Amino acid sequence: AAGVIQSPRHLIKEKRETATLKCYPIPRHDTVYWYQQGPGQDPQFLISFYEKMQSDKGSIPDRFSAQQFSDYHSELNMSSLELGDSALYFCASSVEGENEQYFGPGTRLTVT
Amino acid sequence: AQSVTQLGSHVSVSEGALVLLRCNYSSSVPPYLFWYVQYPNQGLQLLLKYTTGATLVKGINGFEAEFKKSETSFHLTKPSAHMSDAAEYFCAVRGYSGAGSYQLTFGKGTKLSVIP
Repeated sequence: AAGVIQSPRHLIKEKRETATLKCYPIPRHDTVYWYQQGPGQDPQFLISFYEKMQSDKGSIPDRFSAQQFSDYHSELNMSSLELGDSALYFCASSVEGENEQYFGPGTRLTVT
Repeated sequence: AQSVTQLGSHVSVSEGALVLLRCNYSSSVPPYLFWYVQYPNQGLQLLLKYTTGATLVKGINGFEAEFKKSETSFHLTKPSAHMSDAAEYFCAVRGYSGAGSYQLTFGKGTKLSVIP
């Protein structure tokens, strides 16, 4: 069965650079969630999209933005990167109204 | 608002022993509860979920959990631990903020070690 695809899997950036993370949800899933998991931390909700519209916002810094495109894939754009942005970024997708979120393998971002 | 508390950041059990990972939740609405497992450097895999109905739910790899409303708990158990169960386990509660968004709030995680 198709799963959530995230790219790249690993990314190394320097401080003050920008990064773009991509998420391809499971076919026919209309909702995408982004989570950030810092080292040794629990995943924290960043932002979600339903039918290409932002549906909720969590602890996402103003330096980050995201969108969902017409093909339902989503991109998380991160600017002015800081050392503290080093984390594992997960994307999850679901069908609106269903209970389960399916997580991708994550993108590990390292900021040096 | 929803929150999850996992008691014990590290749990060690002997191979073949009972696994018990504790989770208590707080929710302003009837909760939907989940347990996820994360192996090192990997993503989150759903073990089991409680939505409505039967309060004892069975998941993959021999795990099960019981929803106890009176205790606001959703503890994860497995009768006999295997070495392959060594991983980090996250309890999560689903929230709802409107417009189709059901974000998850996770507990801090419990790292399970299995001693041969």
